Amino acid sequence: QKEVEQDPGPLSVPEGAIVSLNCTYSNSAFQYFMWYRQYSRKGPELLMYTYSSGNKEDGRFTAQVDKSSKYISLFIRDSQPSDSATYLCAMRLGGQNFVFGPGTRLSVLP
Amino acid sequence: EAEVAQSPRYKITEKSQAVAFWCDPISGHATLYWYRQILGQGPELLVQFQDESVVDDSQLPKDRFSAERLKGVDSTLKIQPAELGDSAMYLCASSSFLAGGYEQYFGPGTRLTVT
Repeated sequence: QKEVEQDPGPLSVPEGAIVSLNCTYSNSAFQYFMWYRQYSRKGPELLMYTYSSGNKEDGRFTAQVDKSSKYISLFIRDSQPSDSATYLCAMRLGGQNFVFGPGTRLSVLP
Repeated sequence: EAEVAQSPRYKITEKSQAVAFWCDPISGHATLYWYRQILGQGPELLVQFQDESVVDDSQLPKDRFSAERLKGVDSTLKIQPAELGDSAMYLCASSSFLAGGYEQYFGPGTRLTVT
C-alpha cells in the first residue's frame, strides 16, 4: 500500500460546479497537509496548507483534514476552466520530507 | 516575486551520455530539494540539502546520480550514464526553515528525454 493515495481521474465537471478532490494516507504521524496545483509541463504551485486537523478556506478553495480517518479533501467552488490542472496532495512529518500523492487530473468544461 | 530557477527546461540525450541540471533556489532558502516526476505520478524525492549538506539521499540511485550544492546556494544534479528509464521531469524546490519549512516552492522543471 502506498503512503498517500489519490484517485488519478480524470475528473470532468462543468464550469461553475463544486469540485471535491480527496487523498487518503496510511501514516498517522503526518502533521502538515498541502495541496498543489500543477499545470501541464509546469512545476507544482502551492495552493493550500493546513496543520493537523480542521478546515482552511482561501477564496474559492477549502481544505479539510480529518486525521481520525486519515483523509484530506480540497473543495473548489464555482470551478473555472482555468482550474483545469492536476491537483497533488502532499504530507509531511515535522522536519521530514514531503510525500506526494500521484495527483488527480481535473478538467473544467466551459 | 522570487522564483526557483532551473535550466535547461528541456533536454534530449542519448542513452549512456552524461546530463546535468542546474537549480537556483529562492534567495535565502536554506533547504533545497531535487525531485523526479514520472508522467502521471507525484514527485518523488531524490535528494534534500540543508545549506551545503545532504540530509537525505536515500532514494538517489548513487551508481549513476550525483548532486552537489557546494556553496549552499545553487545546485547541480548529474546523471551519468543516462538510461531510458531516466526519462522524466526533474523538479527543484526550495523552502525556508524560518518560515516553518512547510511551504515548498517549485521551479518549472527540466523535462529529460533519453533516447
